[in-house]
Amino acid sequence: DTGVSQDPRHKITKRGQNVTFRCDPISEHNRLYWYRQTLGQGPEFLTYFQNEAQLEKSRLLSDRFSAERPKGSFSTLEIQRTEQGDSAMYLCASSLGGPSNQPQHFGDGTRLSIL
Amino acid sequence: AQTVTQSQPEMSVQEAETVTLSCTYDTSESDYYLFWYKQPPSRQMILVIRQEAYKQQNATENRFSVNFQKAAKSFSLKISDSQLGDAAMYFCAYRVQETSGSRLTFGEGTQLTVNP
Repeated sequence: DTGVSQDPRHKITKRGQNVTFRCDPISEHNRLYWYRQTLGQGPEFLTYFQNEAQLEKSRLLSDRFSAERPKGSFSTLEIQRTEQGDSAMYLCASSLGGPSNQPQHFGDGTRLSIL
Repeated sequence: AQTVTQSQPEMSVQEAETVTLSCTYDTSESDYYLFWYKQPPSRQMILVIRQEAYKQQNATENRFSVNFQKAAKSFSLKISDSQLGDAAMYFCAYRVQETSGSRLTFGEGTQLTVNP
């Protein structure tokens, strides 16, 4: 169990640029979640995958945001035409599926700074 | 919509003492899970303890225990024998019980300082 891995740890970019983040979940976990956390606040849900299917999206996920999990393993989160308000920590979490309702395990996050 | 409220932005405790962090939530659901997560500075979120709403017995994990009051929609975390390594931001979180899985709704967090 190597834990949830996120890449990069930090990303600095100019407003208007596109960015892509990657998340590698714990290998046997079929559920994957993306959250956004701004400074001094709790994480806010963005979207959730079960295997390769995107089952839930928050209203926070505007049309500039897109997430994929093509083979049911790693996931990518892309933000197009970045804005100042996109500056945040983007957290990925994964969990086991099934009726036992397993807890979510979080990665270290990707900190995005928009200049 | 479910909401989670942590009314204490900051708390401090002396090493070896006991501290209680407060959390209240609002929901119309009868089956759900509650969690406390710990987030040290620049480090990942770690699960501290969880509570199933259908269980009347309060969860405990070593020095960590909860006081779950379902009717009052209250879920406080007690840390006994506080250690320097307990210093972190603590988040209370709520999750509806669904077999298909669902989002966590977090509170605003409580920053805990442990004084030597």
